[in-house]
Amino acid sequence: AQSVTQLDSQVPVFEEAPVELRCNYSSSVSVYLFWYVQYPNQGLQLLLKYLSGSTLVKSINGFEAEFNKSQTSFHLRKPSVHISDTAEYFCAVIGGSYIPTFGRGTSLIVHP
Amino acid sequence: EAGVAQSPRYKIIEKRQSVAFWCNPISGHATLYWYQQILGQGPKLLIQFQNNGVVDDSQLPKDRFSAERLKGVDSTLKIQPAKLEDSAVYLCASSLGSLTGNTEAFFGQGTRLTVV
Repeated sequence: AQSVTQLDSQVPVFEEAPVELRCNYSSSVSVYLFWYVQYPNQGLQLLLKYLSGSTLVKSINGFEAEFNKSQTSFHLRKPSVHISDTAEYFCAVIGGSYIPTFGRGTSLIVHP
Repeated sequence: EAGVAQSPRYKIIEKRQSVAFWCNPISGHATLYWYQQILGQGPKLLIQFQNNGVVDDSQLPKDRFSAERLKGVDSTLKIQPAKLEDSAVYLCASSLGSLTGNTEAFFGQGTRLTVV
């Protein structure tokens, strides 16, 4: 069985500050890893993904995440956040069952 | 490319009533998922279809929930009878499927169900 732990339920940060949203997973097989973002009253949108290859993956809006197999982590980072980044962020893992399993989510709150 | 379509967007029903949700996945996507997202929690998988067959329904409360994907394209999820704790957003997602090695799931906007 696979599982995802998002350690922080809420992360408040000031605009232009750096942020890291933590994600740890457990799986007995190789995994695919995803970060999804959910803006208020909207569906989930894929932010970035790790399938294979380079362990550092980047999104078009400045987010990046690094797959760390030894620490079973896939933390999401951004060097300078904007007010518009305020949203719920979900980490998800797909293992041998090919069934996406989601974490509970981290609410990123960016203050002016 | 059209995305995953879901209807209705919102639904309010009284407990013990029945409700049905509809989902039309992205064209060509073999795999379809229904998730339940309770406020403040991550999405929880209810059922996964591969074409018109069920791959996993271990977390579907089968005494009241049912789902079908008869022709392997669109799908309906039904709750009968509804309980207060069924209030949630029901998300449909689709993907090309594990056989292609591309397992990215695309989500619809969801149906927000309120049971009163």
